[in-house]
Amino acid sequence: SQKIEQNSEALNIQEGKTATLTCNYTNYSPAYLQWYRQDPGRGPVFLLLIRENEKEKRKERLKVTFDTTLKQSLFHITASQPADSATYLCALRDGAGNMLTFGGGTRLMVKP
Amino acid sequence: DAGVIQSPRHEVTEMGQEVTLRCKPISGHNSLFWYRQTMMRGLELLIYFNNNVPIDDSGMPEDRFSAKMPNASFSTLKIQPSEPRDSAVYFCASTLGGSNTGELFFGEGSRLTVL
Repeated sequence: SQKIEQNSEALNIQEGKTATLTCNYTNYSPAYLQWYRQDPGRGPVFLLLIRENEKEKRKERLKVTFDTTLKQSLFHITASQPADSATYLCALRDGAGNMLTFGGGTRLMVKP
Repeated sequence: DAGVIQSPRHEVTEMGQEVTLRCKPISGHNSLFWYRQTMMRGLELLIYFNNNVPIDDSGMPEDRFSAKMPNASFSTLKIQPSEPRDSAVYFCASTLGGSNTGELFFGEGSRLTVL
């Protein structure tokens, strides 16, 4: 069966450190993978997209990697700040379809 | 742009009652999605429309759920009759098909509590 797995346990880190979140998938052939941020009581907000033929994508303090052999994406936030505290969701668009399927999300807590 | 607009933001109802959730997508977007979010199951796709036509409703839990998109600027998700297990946050999202990023723009959600 198809699965998108993110660590359900919260990630607690100290301000200034790099946060690394993981997204693993099985039985997908993703055309691309996206990362979203969700704050409590709000809808998810798009952050980054990485395509199947791309290894890495950067945007300001954010970096995403995509390894289709390992079936894994890593999401990094460098020089993390308390304002980065939120839940981060990965989402896959399967190459065979048009739908975006989300992982369960990982909650990040950055402590001052 | 006002973004995706959903109403109501909060709804508390009793089991057996009909619930109607509403969504206004971003003007010019031609794809609309309804998702449901719970702690146990995360964000699940219920149904999506392309150019007002339902394309895939395989995520709709059962016949109690129905969705319509009578025009490009309005969609409804109806639950009749509602049950306590329908309690969740329902999100509407829209996008422009064929865009470079496929980014979904989400509304703020409708939190439904069925007693």
